[in-house]
Amino acid sequence: GDSVTQMEGPVTLSEEAFLTINCTYTATGYPSLFWYVQYPGEGLQLLLKATKADDKGSNKGFEATYRKETTSFHLEKGSVQVSDSAVYFCALRSGGSYIPTFGRGTSLIVHP
Amino acid sequence: GAGVSQSPSNKVTEKGKDVELRCDPISGHTALYWYRQSLGQGLEFLIYFQGNSAPDKSGLPSDRFSAERTGGSVSTLTIQRTQQEDSAVYLCASSLDPHLSNQPQHFGDGTRLSIL
Repeated sequence: GDSVTQMEGPVTLSEEAFLTINCTYTATGYPSLFWYVQYPGEGLQLLLKATKADDKGSNKGFEATYRKETTSFHLEKGSVQVSDSAVYFCALRSGGSYIPTFGRGTSLIVHP
Repeated sequence: GAGVSQSPSNKVTEKGKDVELRCDPISGHTALYWYRQSLGQGLEFLIYFQGNSAPDKSGLPSDRFSAERTGGSVSTLTIQRTQQEDSAVYLCASSLDPHLSNQPQHFGDGTRLSIL
């Protein structure tokens, strides 16, 4: 079956540091890949997505590239802010399933 | 436009009581999902609706849990005879067309359920 593996958190950074959150997956066929963000007390929000190999999704300074050869979709940001503190979820959706598969989430804490 | 709306936002009840959680998806979204998120944990899939039918209810943890959807819109998740382990945040999500794998899910802010 499909699966998503994210790096364990929490990830703790100082403001303006570079962020990478690793995400790797296993899936049948050619899944669509997503990053969602969850701020405290809220539901998940779509951050970015990519639907085919070598696509780069980007939003709010975050980027992730769909790497089929390494089955990865790592999330990056060049300079994090305190307001980026949240939990980040990597997810995929295969064409053969109506149910997305989520990673366990990675908590990011950014200190001033 | 309006997003996914869930009510109540918080619910505190005594062990053994029944609770109903409501989800109002984005208008026109045919797919609706319920998830459970325990403190500090990831998402646990509960049930998926396509229109008013539930082709996948494999995630419901016990027969105390049930859900329905009417008019292809509002959904209710019911937990009977609540137990303390039911305490969690219950999230609802909808998506436009479940046949398209590139469609993202849109989430509500959840119902935080606390069983005393």
